[in-house]
Amino acid sequence: GENVEQHPSTLSVQEGDSAVIKCTYSDSASNYFPWYKQELGKRPQLIIDIRSNVGEKKDQRIAVTLNKTAKHFSLHITETQPEDSAVYFCAEAGYSTLTFGKGTMLLVSP
Amino acid sequence: GAGVSQSPRYKVAKRGQDVALRCDPISGHVSLFWYQQALGQGPEFLTYFQNEAQLDKSGLPSDRFFAERPEGSVSTLKIQRTQQEDSAVYLCASSGLMNTEAFFGQGTRLTVV
Repeated sequence: GENVEQHPSTLSVQEGDSAVIKCTYSDSASNYFPWYKQELGKRPQLIIDIRSNVGEKKDQRIAVTLNKTAKHFSLHITETQPEDSAVYFCAEAGYSTLTFGKGTMLLVSP
Repeated sequence: GAGVSQSPRYKVAKRGQDVALRCDPISGHVSLFWYQQALGQGPEFLTYFQNEAQLDKSGLPSDRFFAERPEGSVSTLKIQRTQQEDSAVYLCASSGLMNTEAFFGQGTRLTVV
């Protein structure tokens, strides 16, 4: 698969603040960009995804933006809560493989 | 129905031993992925099946790793002559149509001693 760069590797915020995680990719054929949340000892679970024909998608406190020209996409979490604490992975897919970034550990302090 | 099921959940193998990890995908899912996840890292792609066809095995780290999905449903990841660096969680995921949500199993934690 192609490389997916994810930043930052750790992010600490206060409850109620916003959190932003950014990813860049290299394969111009990529057309599907999901975000997964993985709690300690559990399986990754999809929280939101976006396709290449859309620039932004929102689901309650979570939003994702995509800039195909610059080949980057971002996850935005507003009004963070302690239960948002987890590792978040971006991913990209083109014709076959689903390639993941290295993850961002988000810590939300009460 | 049930989600993606993997077995065993935990496996301890002596160095040099062969192991087989099983994945039962969601019924009807065409795509099946295997990933290796080291502690504190993201899932690293190993291989991808579309039905019974192994379309991409570029992530398999060595020829000691072999995966199959002979009938397009259950898949087995086999690791021969295990080494300590093979210790990781092995995750299986399945999805229906291409580029739709991939559902993960709980993973198999392999420890090679």
